Amino acid sequence: EDKVVQSPLSLVVHEGDTVTLNCSYEVTNFRSLLWYKQEKKAPTFLFMLTSSGIEKKSGRLSSILDKKELSSILNITATQTGDSAIYLCAVVASNSGYALNFGKGTSLLVTP
Amino acid sequence: DAGVIQSPRHEVTEMGQEVTLRCKPISGHNSLFWYRQTMMRGLELLIYFNNNVPIDDSGMPEDRFSAKMPNASFSTLKIQPSEPRDSAVYFCASSRGTGSYNEQFFGPGTRLTVL
Repeated sequence: EDKVVQSPLSLVVHEGDTVTLNCSYEVTNFRSLLWYKQEKKAPTFLFMLTSSGIEKKSGRLSSILDKKELSSILNITATQTGDSAIYLCAVVASNSGYALNFGKGTSLLVTP
Repeated sequence: DAGVIQSPRHEVTEMGQEVTLRCKPISGHNSLFWYRQTMMRGLELLIYFNNNVPIDDSGMPEDRFSAKMPNASFSTLKIQPSEPRDSAVYFCASSRGTGSYNEQFFGPGTRLTVL
């Protein structure tokens, strides 16, 4: 059975700190890994990663995939209170068509 | 672009009642997904459609759940009869399903409470 595991489950940091969120997966026929941010509503897309070792960046957020280690990290530098959210990792595998297999998420709280 | 539209946004019902959730995908998207989110289990795929055809419904919990997509712009998820354990947020998402690397856009969700 395909598995996506995120760690830590929750995290509390101070504004300005740097955080690293982890996602590991065990899937058959991996296709891509995606990161989503969920505040008090629907998940919104952050990154999609398909190739190992290529960093994707968007402002203070960056992510990289390691296919050898079957994992990905999401980094947030100089955190702000607006970064408080649940960060979801999801994997697409060929045997699941285009459907997303989500981890349970990391709940991040950034305090002033 | 209106995004994915779901209705109702909130639904409170009593155990045993029928519940119908509705979704309008983004125009031009040909893949539609229904997900359920709970604290215990996170976000789980229930069913997805490609070109209005159900492709994988292995995530549907049991026969009480059914989903239809009669045309490219409308889908329903029905629970009959509903039970308290069905209480969750139900999300609909759509994407251009022409390959595996397509971003899914989520609707605002329907928060269902079954008393």
